Amino acid sequence: EIVMTQSPATLSVSPGEGATLSCRASQSVSSSLAWYQQKPGQAPRLLIYGASTRATGVPARFSGTGSGTEFTLTISSLQSEDFAIYYCQQYNNWPPWTFGQGTRVEIK
Amino acid sequence: EVQLVESGGGLVQPGGSLRLSCAASGFTFKSYNMKWVRQAPGKGLEWISYISSSGTTIYYADSVKGRFTISRDNAQNSLYLEMNSLRDEDTAVYYCVRGGNYYVYWGQGTLVTVSS
Repeated sequence: EIVMTQSPATLSVSPGEGATLSCRASQSVSSSLAWYQQKPGQAPRLLIYGASTRATGVPARFSGTGSGTEFTLTISSLQSEDFAIYYCQQYNNWPPWTFGQGTRVEIK
Repeated sequence: EVQLVESGGGLVQPGGSLRLSCAASGFTFKSYNMKWVRQAPGKGLEWISYISSSGTTIYYADSVKGRFTISRDNAQNSLYLEMNSLRDEDTAVYYCVRGGNYYVYWGQGTLVTVSS
């Protein structure tokens, strides 16, 4: 089973600032990596797939990079609606399809 | 518009059983693989089961293998999760999810609480 590890657990950011979230896989997942955003009481929303492709309707301030075992989600200028929990998920080696434990982005 | 609507959650005692349903609409259900993903209160996301579009290929997470059964009825556009021998640690919101690898479409979730 591939273990996904996200860091940091919590990121405190001021609105308008940028944020960088990391996700590491215990073995290579190539570019088979997705990022999700989840707000309280809501289902997750797909942001990025293929490590760097934005899903339909996702603003350009969200970008994903990386391949192999190291991945990054960057939010260039945080808006109020971006404060949420972010999860990475690998889909290269399955089953199981595995998620990271999440990074909470909170208002500083 | 794609819609996935889960139902069947509720309060159940440890050792009990529950059957979740997911009603799909807005797309050709029989053409898509489907999954169940759960989220314990305040915790992260956990994939628990997969079923192929035809129903011939099924996978389970180790945490539910032997206790949960996934199935589908393509004529009724419905996905199911039969849960037996429920444990406290099965308490979670259960999401029905479309797709094999990454997930654009999620249901709103149904809460299962296992408690005496």
